[in-house]
Amino acid sequence: AQKVTQAQTEISVVEKEDVTLDCVYETRDTTYYLFWYKQPPSGELVFLIRRNSFDEQNEISGRYSWNFQKSTSSFNFTITASQVVDSAVYFCALRVYNQGGKLIFGQGTELSVKP
Amino acid sequence: NAGVTQTPKFRILKIGQSMTLQCTQDMNHNYMYWYRQDPGMGLKLIYYSVGAGITDKGEVPNGYNVSRSTTEDFPLRLELAAPSQTSVYFCASTTGTEQYFGPGTRLTVT
Repeated sequence: AQKVTQAQTEISVVEKEDVTLDCVYETRDTTYYLFWYKQPPSGELVFLIRRNSFDEQNEISGRYSWNFQKSTSSFNFTITASQVVDSAVYFCALRVYNQGGKLIFGQGTELSVKP
Repeated sequence: NAGVTQTPKFRILKIGQSMTLQCTQDMNHNYMYWYRQDPGMGLKLIYYSVGAGITDKGEVPNGYNVSRSTTEDFPLRLELAAPSQTSVYFCASTTGTEQYFGPGTRLTVT
């Protein structure tokens, strides 16, 4: 069975702090994809990144960076110099190849960035 | 190109009533999905479809029905609404890589 765990339910930081959101996944399949989505207070789901299981290269996009480690089944997300606009719920999700494209979501981490 | 659209945005139902949540995508995606998001939780898959005429159950299908007569539309039907179905419902579609989500329907059953 597949599972995604986001152990941090809520995180509160002060603006300009760096913050890391943890994601641990479980799957026996060798081909899979990992995602991060952002859900701001307005409620929509915003796609941030997709990684496949054969690409462990870290990714950086502006203040966002992602660390994918198959050895620990983790796909952590770091926001550098956080801003108030980063306040949102962040979801990590897993999709296993050849299973209809279904996403398995973690419970989400609510990030609050205070000025 | 509107992407994934959902109607209505909000709805209040009485226990036992029925309704259909509409979902339409204009990207010609074969794969479509319905998820529900309960307060403080992640999204859970209700039903999905890999093409017109093909549907399958997800993790939490009880109390819901779907149909997929066209590539564009994937309506979700609630037959006998129950308070446990109070949730935010998201429709999504994909070609197989990134999933595109609709804006959601907030449903309250009282």
